[in-house]
Amino acid sequence: DSGVTQTPKHLITATGQRVTLRCSPRSGDLSVYWYQQSLDQGLQFLIQYYNGEERAKGNILERFSAQQFPDLHSELNLSSLELGDSALYFCASSGDSSEAFFGQGTRLTVV
Amino acid sequence: EDQVTQSPEALRLQEGESSSLNCSYTVSGLRGLFWYRQDPGKGPEFLFTLYSAGEEKEKERLKATLTKKESFLHITAPKPEDSATYLCAARGQAGTALIFGKGTTLSVSS
Repeated sequence: DSGVTQTPKHLITATGQRVTLRCSPRSGDLSVYWYQQSLDQGLQFLIQYYNGEERAKGNILERFSAQQFPDLHSELNLSSLELGDSALYFCASSGDSSEAFFGQGTRLTVV
Repeated sequence: EDQVTQSPEALRLQEGESSSLNCSYTVSGLRGLFWYRQDPGKGPEFLFTLYSAGEEKEKERLKATLTKKESFLHITAPKPEDSATYLCAARGQAGTALIFGKGTTLSVSS
């Protein structure tokens, strides 16, 4: 168990809809990262938050947004969903050491 | 642009047949080279961090090494339970996110 909790584990929704994925980092970790993993693309970095502030952006679409709350949990919001957004979404957290620890992911299926 | 490339994409071994996985990286100011193991449908599980050329780390049948341009994950006498996808990632000076390779899927048969 990495200590990073993601909910829900599975999500099935229709095209055009909006969903929210939730992540609770390891106790004490200030950094939260979101990654998308699809079969052909591997793990793609979306966005990073550090202690409530956006720290870095990767290949995140404008339809996607995230935030980190004062209790350090983070949410990833995906809107106007398309079939191609179906993927595994992972959250990871890190503290002072540079290793990142991953949650078990949310499998999103857009139908 | 920072980049991480892994080879081979897939590797099939017999139990006990040792081999190595390769990770080539092009990252400015490397701040860590990471190895993860990922089982199907699960999150990546942290294995090793390497920081400087010449560094080696070991865990059970796995040993990771680092040069200035590559890292290797050596698997000695693998067992079927070592079957998984092994991911390599790098953190560079320009950003703080880990940049991942596409992974090597290892299958070990008895």
